[in-house]
Amino acid sequence: NAGVTQTPKFQVLKTGQSMTLQCAQDMNHNSMYWYRQDPGMGLRLIYYSASEGTTDKGEVPNGYNVSRLNKREFSLRLESAAPSQTSVYFCASSVWRDTEAFFGQGTRLTVV
Amino acid sequence: GENVEQHPSTLSVQEGDSAVIKCTYSDSASNYFPWYKQELGKRPQLIIDIRSNVGEKKDQRIAVTLNKTAKHFSLHITETQPEDSAVYFCAATYSGAGSYQLTFGKGTKLSVIP
Repeated sequence: NAGVTQTPKFQVLKTGQSMTLQCAQDMNHNSMYWYRQDPGMGLRLIYYSASEGTTDKGEVPNGYNVSRLNKREFSLRLESAAPSQTSVYFCASSVWRDTEAFFGQGTRLTVV
Repeated sequence: GENVEQHPSTLSVQEGDSAVIKCTYSDSASNYFPWYKQELGKRPQLIIDIRSNVGEKKDQRIAVTLNKTAKHFSLHITETQPEDSAVYFCAATYSGAGSYQLTFGKGTKLSVIP
């Protein structure tokens, strides 16, 4: 039982490049989320998927897109990376939105 | 949307003393309030949560209190130990129908001095 697995762990991008962060959970959770964490800013919700087949914007969705590929997988795409997207990204999942969220190990993304 | 304020941003206590972290929220509809602990370089992990139908919840050395009228909730850690040193985040959300926004506070860095 691996929990929530996200890849890659580290990534450096040049401004304007694109990339996809992958996330998979093996706990049969319905809800999945993408957060970004910046120093002094806490965790801010980018996008979430309340259940398979649905996605919705969170607090800071601009510059990102998501895909809920199936119940296990939820990917985050940066179409044209900007230095402001330098951050640590966490994927998380939960049974329902008002239950414990389990986080992945994080992806440290640097955009130069 | 929901706004969560968390204080203090940093807290230093002597080992064995108690630590209290306070959060306020803005949306009176919020009814689920979790607390997460994040050790340096690690992922956040839930340590305790409370729902709006109770005023207090305890788990060993950790307790959370909720005052719905004042819209604030607090984390209490007693008999602190060095392994309690971490960043703690409070959060709030409404679990009913509609848009979901689990909103986090900005975090409190707790340092327990041996």
